[in-house]
Amino acid sequence: AQRVTQPEKLLSVFKGAPVELKCNYSYSGSPELFWYVQYSRQRLQLLLRHISRESIKGFTADLNKGETSFHLKKPFAQEEDSAMYYCALSGNYGGSQGNLIFGKGTKLSVKP
Amino acid sequence: NAGVTQTPKFRILKIGQSMTLQCAQDMNHNYMYWYRQDPGMGLKLIYYSVGAGITDKGEVPNGYNVSRSTTEDFPLRLELAAPSQTSVYFCASREKQGATYEQYFGPGTRLTVT
Repeated sequence: AQRVTQPEKLLSVFKGAPVELKCNYSYSGSPELFWYVQYSRQRLQLLLRHISRESIKGFTADLNKGETSFHLKKPFAQEEDSAMYYCALSGNYGGSQGNLIFGKGTKLSVKP
Repeated sequence: NAGVTQTPKFRILKIGQSMTLQCAQDMNHNYMYWYRQDPGMGLKLIYYSVGAGITDKGEVPNGYNVSRSTTEDFPLRLELAAPSQTSVYFCASREKQGATYEQYFGPGTRLTVT
């Protein structure tokens, strides 16, 4: 079964503290993994994808196939990072390829 | 370039009423998707389309219908609204080519059925 698990509903940290949002997945095959973010009153948007191995707004995420994880990390949180974060897996529903399977999301709150 | 647009932003329906949620994209994307998001849950796929004239069911299609007569538009139809359809609905699109599978989302439609 294709599944994405985000164990934390809410993560609250102080500005300048490190952040790690956890994501585990279940997928038979080579997964494509993403982190999407939704800031207050904005639409869902792509933050980063594992295939690009990029750092966006100071966030990084490494795919660990052994642990089936794709945790999102940032060494020093900023108040503007406060948002809902969704981990997503590119599924293969009905052969469509490219539909996304989402976790339930983690709300990150960065306090001043 | 407006990206993905959805109308309406909000709607309240009575049980048994019907409505169509509109979705349009101006990026010439072949793939389009409808998701629903219930409170505290992730997005779930309702229907998808790989091009004009081609649609198929997703994970939670019951109570919905779609059509794709043009590349730009992908409306979602609720025929007999039920309280279980109270949710936020997101439309998304992506290019056919390319392996990144990045999807572009609309702002969402918040639907309440009472």
